[in-house]
Amino acid sequence: GAVVSQHPSWVICKSGTSVKIECRSLDFQATTMFWYRQFPKQSLMLMATSNEGSKATYEQGVEKDKFLINHASLTLSTLTVTSAHPEDSSFYICSARDRALVFEQFFGPGTRLTVL
Amino acid sequence: AQTVTQSQPEMSVQEAETVTLSCTYDTSESDYYLFWYKQPPSRQMILVIRQEAYKQQNATENRFSVNFQKAAKSFSLKISDSQLGDAAMYFCASSGNAGNMLTFGGGTRLMVKP
Repeated sequence: GAVVSQHPSWVICKSGTSVKIECRSLDFQATTMFWYRQFPKQSLMLMATSNEGSKATYEQGVEKDKFLINHASLTLSTLTVTSAHPEDSSFYICSARDRALVFEQFFGPGTRLTVL
Repeated sequence: AQTVTQSQPEMSVQEAETVTLSCTYDTSESDYYLFWYKQPPSRQMILVIRQEAYKQQNATENRFSVNFQKAAKSFSLKISDSQLGDAAMYFCASSGNAGNMLTFGGGTRLMVKP
């Protein structure tokens, strides 16, 4: 149980285009989902927290207009990188919190984004 | 606010030996949770072990155990009988009692020598 999927697992796009990454909780209801960014050989940096049915809360320094987050259902959250640039290239990881297990997060496998 | 510090960027252990990874944290919360996550080359984050701060007994999961020193705000991970598959990045993390965001340490790369 407690499986989180992400799609796509990797994506290459041209500078200026937008890319959408999906995060799904497959076997549980996730009232809260988190989006992280991880640069090579570095730790995970929280970008934003999304609660189902409400606006996401962004961490300081994260541009909300560039990284659009939607959490429309208890099993799906999406991260859209708008007008992507090479500096947005990174590994993006989502996690989901089971409403029954508020102290634990389950992680997706991550999405590698490369912007040319 | 919470901070988590891992002072060992890299560690090495001989297969079948024991290794301890260090972690210190700081938090203003009265109740919180501590975690160790493993990130293998696939980059999938895997929960290794969890400790509730209100529990005095150290958590144990098979070959993995923690030494939780609440007063010292220390939370080290001991891996016994190290296996080649244990080679990975290990992240220490903390979260508040509301189960909110995880705060991660900088990570420790563990290498296991055959």
